[in-house]
Amino acid sequence: DAGVTQSPTHLIKTRGQHVTLRCSPISGHKSVSWYQQVLGQGPQFIFQYYEKEERGRGNFPDRFSARQFPNYSSELNVNALLLGDSALYLCASSSLRRDTQYFGPGTRLTVL
Amino acid sequence: AQSVSQHNHHVILSEAASLELGCNYSYGGTVNLFWYVQYPGQHLQLLLKYFSGDPLVKGIKGFEAEFIKSKFSFNLRKPSVQWSDTAEYFCAVNAHGGSQGNLIFGKGTKLSVKP
Repeated sequence: DAGVTQSPTHLIKTRGQHVTLRCSPISGHKSVSWYQQVLGQGPQFIFQYYEKEERGRGNFPDRFSARQFPNYSSELNVNALLLGDSALYLCASSSLRRDTQYFGPGTRLTVL
Repeated sequence: AQSVSQHNHHVILSEAASLELGCNYSYGGTVNLFWYVQYPGQHLQLLLKYFSGDPLVKGIKGFEAEFIKSKFSFNLRKPSVQWSDTAEYFCAVNAHGGSQGNLIFGKGTKLSVKP
């Protein structure tokens, strides 16, 4: 079975631009969570979506938004990019809202 | 705020040495506990988890962890490490009083095993 997939793998943007990151969960999983991992730190929770509704939000500004589609894939959008948004963005899926999360390979975002 | 502490930033061991990585969390309620591993160039993988029941849980590749509720700890152990265990290890907690999808991670412990 395919694991969690994310696209693109790498992305370079400039300050002020907008970015969209994509995630496809493991088949049958209905929950998708997004995390930000900066160098030297553990992942930090951004959002959880379950059955296409937002079920949790971490301490991130409103520039960050996400959505989940009927096929349970998800997009993370970040507006007005700042240098500090440079990080590895991880997507994780689980079958239930509170269940083991399985992570994708991440999207490495560099903001110049 | 809930937090997870991993005591060691970088651990260097020789092959066959025993390993114990510390993890403490700050939350007084019910928790689910996880250890994830990130091998060089690979994505985060689940090593083991604790939801309920026997506080001694066994994971993949000979790893185990013990949940000690009174100490708010979930330390990871392996009796004899191999060079292939070189990786970064993350402890994570899902607190039942918080957002259900929110895993709170420690900063990670980098393990280097010398052949």
